[in-house]
Amino acid sequence: EVQLVQSGAEVKKPGESLKISCKGSGYSFTSYWIGWVRQMPGKGLEWMGIIYPGDSDTRYSPSFQGQVTISADKSISTAYLQWSSLKASDTAMYYCVRQGSSTSCCDYWGQGTLVTVSS
Amino acid sequence: DVVMTQSPLSLPVTLGQPASISCRSSQSLVYSDGNTYLNWFQQRPGQSPRRLIYKVSNRDSGVPDRFSGSGSGTDFTLKISRVEAEDVGVYYCMQGTHWPPAFGPGTKVDIK
Repeated sequence: EVQLVQSGAEVKKPGESLKISCKGSGYSFTSYWIGWVRQMPGKGLEWMGIIYPGDSDTRYSPSFQGQVTISADKSISTAYLQWSSLKASDTAMYYCVRQGSSTSCCDYWGQGTLVTVSS
Repeated sequence: DVVMTQSPLSLPVTLGQPASISCRSSQSLVYSDGNTYLNWFQQRPGQSPRRLIYKVSNRDSGVPDRFSGSGSGTDFTLKISRVEAEDVGVYYCMQGTHWPPAFGPGTKVDIK
């Protein structure tokens, strides 16, 4: 059974750093892209970027380029989304997704990680 | 960037009746490989989204056959043949053809 299991909810202060994770299981982790999708409170879905764990090819939506870093450790089948300096506007639910290709989104979703940034 | 629009944004429906959601893209979604990468997602209250339809009209495994997708080029439709209570939620179209991929604003479906 394909599963994407994300790390737990986080509460952080503005300016702090954060790295959240997404562990894939039940399939060949290095053969599928992993993407990240943001959902701000009460809002819609926003596609952030993807990584191909097989070769670490990473692509960002222009809206998120430079704002976050996507990475992966294929030895433990885990992808990451990180911030170096959080802002209150980063408060959102973040979902990881599996993609069969860079054009084919998103057949499996994680349960989401809620990130709250507040002073 | 490609802009996705949906209508209506709110759709009150009667149980057992059909429902239809329209999605339009600002550019043709036909990719260079001949495929059209238009997906539909359902997000039930408090849940992660799930994909219902991929490449315009292909239902994902486990998706009831009352859901169907159609369309071409820039105009697409998701239809529910007979709405059930479990269909309440927000429905998003999403294009993967052009960079960056983009979701529509969502259509909230609830029961009258």
